[in-house]
Amino acid sequence: GAGVSQSPSNKVTEKGKDVELRCDPISGHTALYWYRQSLGQGLEFLIYFQGNSAPDKSGLPSDRFSAERTGGSVSTLTIQRTQQEDSAVYLCASSLASGRTQETQYFGPGTRLLVL
Amino acid sequence: AQSVTQLGSHVSVSEGALVLLRCNYSSSVPPYLFWYVQYPNQGLQLLLKYTTGATLVKGINGFEAEFKKSETSFHLTKPSAHMSDAAEYFCAVSETPGGYQKVTFGTGTKLQVIP
Repeated sequence: GAGVSQSPSNKVTEKGKDVELRCDPISGHTALYWYRQSLGQGLEFLIYFQGNSAPDKSGLPSDRFSAERTGGSVSTLTIQRTQQEDSAVYLCASSLASGRTQETQYFGPGTRLLVL
Repeated sequence: AQSVTQLGSHVSVSEGALVLLRCNYSSSVPPYLFWYVQYPNQGLQLLLKYTTGATLVKGINGFEAEFKKSETSFHLTKPSAHMSDAAEYFCAVSETPGGYQKVTFGTGTKLQVIP
């Protein structure tokens, strides 16, 4: 696609429910990144994928968070049993490769999650 | 452990004046350093990055930053502010070769440009 897309753009959910956030990277980009932006924690790096593999999941805030990527393209960030502190804007970005900072990183518009 | 400190959560400059946004980092290895910009109601955008080599890095929209190892700084500058520069700016550091993964962000500096 022309840019990184994310869906939904907004999500309101009740505490305790599960949510899935989707990211479509730029076609051909093998590296994909998830971040979170919240009032309480600022900008945080969550996880990145090189292809379908996530080498390091230590940035995920808790075991309620998981992410997967299939076919080297679309990625899904899943939050189980949502809590109010999960309310944030979840940002996705992609780049041609993760090991080469000559590559520029492109961000999606984000998904705004509100947990009531 | 890596960390970033941005001095000044809000900075105001007059249109046409020098923009200087300060960033100091802490890293146990040679760092990769970034500046990101977030315009009002828009997504995040990479402004510039330092990996290795030349310590003065030029980015988009006339911004540049200089890596000073002795001062552990990576301040962002622009010679002449435009109204369109009003945004929030985030400095970030990574110790990971390649850089974009496992970054740590600063708390951000909101730039106001006064006409």
